[in-house]
Formats: sequence, C-alpha cells, structure tokens
Amino acid sequence: ETGVTQSPTHLIKTRGQQVTLRCSSQSGHNTVSWYQQALGQGPQFIFQYYREEENGRGNFPPRFSGLQFPNYSSELNVNALELDDSALYLCASSLAQVTEAFFGQGTRLTVV
Amino acid sequence: KQEVTQIPAALSVPEGENLVLNCSFTDSAIYNLQWFRQDPGKGLTSLLLIQSSQREQTSGRLNASLDKSSGRSTLYIAASQPGDSATYLCAVIRRGNNRKLIWGLGTSLAVNP
Repeated sequence: ETGVTQSPTHLIKTRGQQVTLRCSSQSGHNTVSWYQQALGQGPQFIFQYYREEENGRGNFPPRFSGLQFPNYSSELNVNALELDDSALYLCASSLAQVTEAFFGQGTRLTVV
Repeated sequence: KQEVTQIPAALSVPEGENLVLNCSFTDSAIYNLQWFRQDPGKGLTSLLLIQSSQREQTSGRLNASLDKSSGRSTLYIAASQPGDSATYLCAVIRRGNNRKLIWGLGTSLAVNP
C-alpha cells in the first residue's frame, strides 16, 4: 500500500449538488495532485498543490477547486455537479513536484 | 504539446510468456517517465520510475527502458502470470512550469492460465 488514502471510496450525487473529496498524502510528501479518470480513458490532470499553494492547473472549469492543508492533506471541491463529472478521482502525492508519484485508491463519483 | 501513445491497446497472452509493452512520447524534454498498473475500477500502483538521465530500471520480473532521444519507453514483463492481468499506463512529467503527469491510454493485458 502507498500510504495515500482517499475518502470516500464511492459517492453518488445529484446534478447541481456540491461534493468534497479528501486525500491524505504519504508521510513526508509535500505535493498533491488530483486527476479525473473517465471510464476507458487515461487520467486527466486537474491541479497540483505544493506546500499549500496551487502549482499548476489543467483544463477544468473554476467550479473545480481545491485546498492543501498544513499537514499536506488535500481536498477537491466540485460545485454545480454535471453528469459528465462522473468519474474516478485520483489523488497522488510525491516528495517534490517531479519525483515518483504514489496514488490512492480513488473516489468513484457518480452524478445522477 | 506533449502526447503519449501506448501500443498495443490490448494484449492477450498465455501464462509464462515474456512480453513487451510500448510507450512513445512526442517531446523529449521530460523530467521522468513512470509506469503504473491499474486493476479494474481501482487506483494506480507505481511500478517503475525512470529519471530522464537513466536508461532503465528493474524491479523483480519488470524491466523498463527509456530512450529519450527517440521518445520511447518499453516495459518488459518476464514469465507472465495471470496475476499480471491489468491495465498498464505510462506517464511522463515534461520539463517546464506545469509539472503534471501526461498519460497514455494504457495497454490492457490479459494473461491466460
């Protein structure tokens, strides 16, 4: 196991609702990245946090937002959920921005 | 723009075969390349990381090579087992300010007993 934990593991939400996903990074890791993986696709980069600051963002609308806390754990918030937001959301932690990335088990979000 | 391609998209082999998975990338300006394994509906397990200055990495029955100049990496799996059945993804971190992983679509491997 990697030491990266995500919660919850599964979630069902209604279109228009808001959701918060959580990630605890591996001990000693200061960088957390979030990815969205649709069925049959490779992961798509949402954003990265390094020492509590956003450090890069992918092509996702502003309703996708995040936080990193002083203990380097992180949250991903999605407002005004759409059906297309249904996906596996993956969190990765690393010691620095370009070192080996370790992933959690993911959160499966279903929007109905 | 960095693009990552994996060939083949799917592979089915009998148990015991040695096999090679291919990954190619368009921009050789990378920090590193990482190979992952993903079981259906699960998260990603890191298999091997190759730094841009390295040529290969080995872990057990797995060997990954990197040829940065030609934009290619291969993952060699020796003596395949049914438990190796999964999707294998490669990803690169390109040099520059936006240090995200850029992914291929993966190779779906089935090892048949």
